[in-house]
Amino acid sequence: DAGITQSPRYKITETGRQVTLMCHQTWSHSYMFWYRQDLGHGLRLIYYSAAADITDKGEVPDGYVVSRSKTENFPLTLESATRSQTSVYFCASSDRLAGFYEQYFGPGTRLTVT
Amino acid sequence: GENVEQHPSTLSVQEGDSAVIKCTYSDSASNYFPWYKQELGKRPQLIIDIRSNVGEKKDQRIAVTLNKTAKHFSLHITETQPEDSAVYFCAANPTGNQFYFGTGTSLTVIP
Repeated sequence: DAGITQSPRYKITETGRQVTLMCHQTWSHSYMFWYRQDLGHGLRLIYYSAAADITDKGEVPDGYVVSRSKTENFPLTLESATRSQTSVYFCASSDRLAGFYEQYFGPGTRLTVT
Repeated sequence: GENVEQHPSTLSVQEGDSAVIKCTYSDSASNYFPWYKQELGKRPQLIIDIRSNVGEKKDQRIAVTLNKTAKHFSLHITETQPEDSAVYFCAANPTGNQFYFGTGTSLTVIP
């Protein structure tokens, strides 16, 4: 579990501000993911990345930007935060295992937009 | 895209009884179905998974069954214990890249 970390763990920001959530993994997993978790919606994929410099949209990408210049880091940026982006954000990573992709989650970041 | 539905949303059982959580999926291309357990304030953790070429898998008190024809899969927990209390999520994986999660089941085991 210590192989994937997120920072900050808690963040309060104001509407309209830019905020970046960090994710770092030490396993050299090729895939990384960002999810948001909201009551009644479970986990919804925001963006994912198959490798450095390769990213793609998930189910709910609007209002978010990602980058992946290094394999181990996958930051998520909210360019202009809105109250609807108040949520718990989980980063995850995975690598090929017999053709399937088991995911390992970070500890989460609780973001509140006021 | 894939649509995963999970039932029930809440489940209470007496300690020692069995618990069953059911999920359905829509995309016949899905071929990997993991189950995650999330304790309060913690991260989701994989507890068991099943591939599409297998109908059932068991790990001690936990089992998962898959019916590809009907597009549903279920988690079975036997001899439940208070430490089984958590939120459980199912997921389906139609490609190598994306997972689609159910909305979760909050399981409470009453001592």
